[in-house]
Amino acid sequence: AQSVTQPDIHITVSEGASLELRCNYSYGATPYLFWYVQSPGQGLQLLLKYFSGDTLVQGIKGFEAEFKRSQSSFNLRKPSVHWSDAAEYFCAVPNDYKLSFGAGTTVTVRA
Amino acid sequence: NAGVTQTPKFRILKIGQSMTLQCTQDMNHNYMYWYRQDPGMGLKLIYYSVGAGITDKGEVPNGYNVSRSTTEDFPLRLELAAPSQTSVYFCASSYSKASGRHEQYFGPGTRLTVT
Repeated sequence: AQSVTQPDIHITVSEGASLELRCNYSYGATPYLFWYVQSPGQGLQLLLKYFSGDTLVQGIKGFEAEFKRSQSSFNLRKPSVHWSDAAEYFCAVPNDYKLSFGAGTTVTVRA
Repeated sequence: NAGVTQTPKFRILKIGQSMTLQCTQDMNHNYMYWYRQDPGMGLKLIYYSVGAGITDKGEVPNGYNVSRSTTEDFPLRLELAAPSQTSVYFCASSYSKASGRHEQYFGPGTRLTVT
């Protein structure tokens, strides 16, 4: 079964600084990959998804992610963080009928 | 479009009580899912359904039951609540199964505490 690992449990970043969240996948072929965001007290919202083709994927809220086969990674980035980006972020990979999620990375934004 | 709605938002149960978590979607999706979220564990699939009348177990089904009598509704039943069922429960729906490229849409969640 495919799986993803998010090595960072918690990241603190200053407002206006750049942000990078790591996601590593374990699968031989090219996987489908998703990034979801969960704002406090809210459900999960899809930020972006990768299926094939261009390895740099643009998403909502100014986020992008880059698929790197050589590193088995699909890291999420944002050039300049806003206070509203404080949330929990999940990387996910489909396993037939379901999504398998990483443990999540909590992002704290300091003023 | 309301998307995926869940009720209640919060609930406190005593050990041994039962309750039903409601989930409704208005996107005419065939696939519906129940996940639970525990700190540091991501989301784990409890049950899923591929259409009205068809349900199947996920990774952590013990202590739960589901039914799917209509396309729109997918209630989750907790029988004999236990402290281990303290969690945040999310309902989700999608046009196709996860590997079919379609995203899953999530409800706002139900925060359940069993004491």
